[in-house]
Amino acid sequence: NAGVTQTPKFQVLKTGQSMTLQCAQDMNHEYMSWYRQDPGMGLRLIHYSVGAGITDQGEVPNGYNVSRSTTEDFPLRLLSAAPSQTSVYFCASSLLSQVTEAFFGQGTRLTVV
Amino acid sequence: ILNVEQSPQSLHVQEGDSTNFTCSFPSSNFYALHWYRWETAKSPEALFVMTLNGDEKKKGRISATLNTKEGYSYLYIKGSQPEDSATYLCAYGGSQGNLIFGKGTKLSVKP
Repeated sequence: NAGVTQTPKFQVLKTGQSMTLQCAQDMNHEYMSWYRQDPGMGLRLIHYSVGAGITDQGEVPNGYNVSRSTTEDFPLRLLSAAPSQTSVYFCASSLLSQVTEAFFGQGTRLTVV
Repeated sequence: ILNVEQSPQSLHVQEGDSTNFTCSFPSSNFYALHWYRWETAKSPEALFVMTLNGDEKKKGRISATLNTKEGYSYLYIKGSQPEDSATYLCAYGGSQGNLIFGKGTKLSVKP
């Protein structure tokens, strides 16, 4: 049982490049979400999904795209990377959205130069 | 805009001290209040999820209380140990189905 797996762990991008951060969970959780963590800002919600085929925006969605074609996978796409997207990204999943504990991936440290 | 406030921002205590932190959250549309422990270079791990007013939860030397009517929760650590050093996050779960996180309290325990 791997839990929540994020790849890659580290990534450096040039401004304007695109990339996809992968997130997979093997706990059959319906709810999945993406956060970014910046110094002094805490965890801020980017996008979330309450089940396969359903996604919605969080607090800071601009510049990011998501899809949820399966229960297991919830990739986060950066369409055209900007230096402001330099951050640590965490994927999380939970059985029943806000009333059950969230399980986090190990994080992806992204630097955009 | 829903706001979750944690205080203090950071705390330095000696080994053996007992300590507590505060989380303030919206008292309306409340579903759950979460506490997470976040060690450096690791991922946040859940300590407690509380849903009912007056809830008290305990795990070893760590306990938490919940007051949904006034919108606050306390996390207590009894007899702090160096391994308790971490950032403690609280998160409010409201009717939108998401978790809104506070900025955390960073605890440092000196041997």
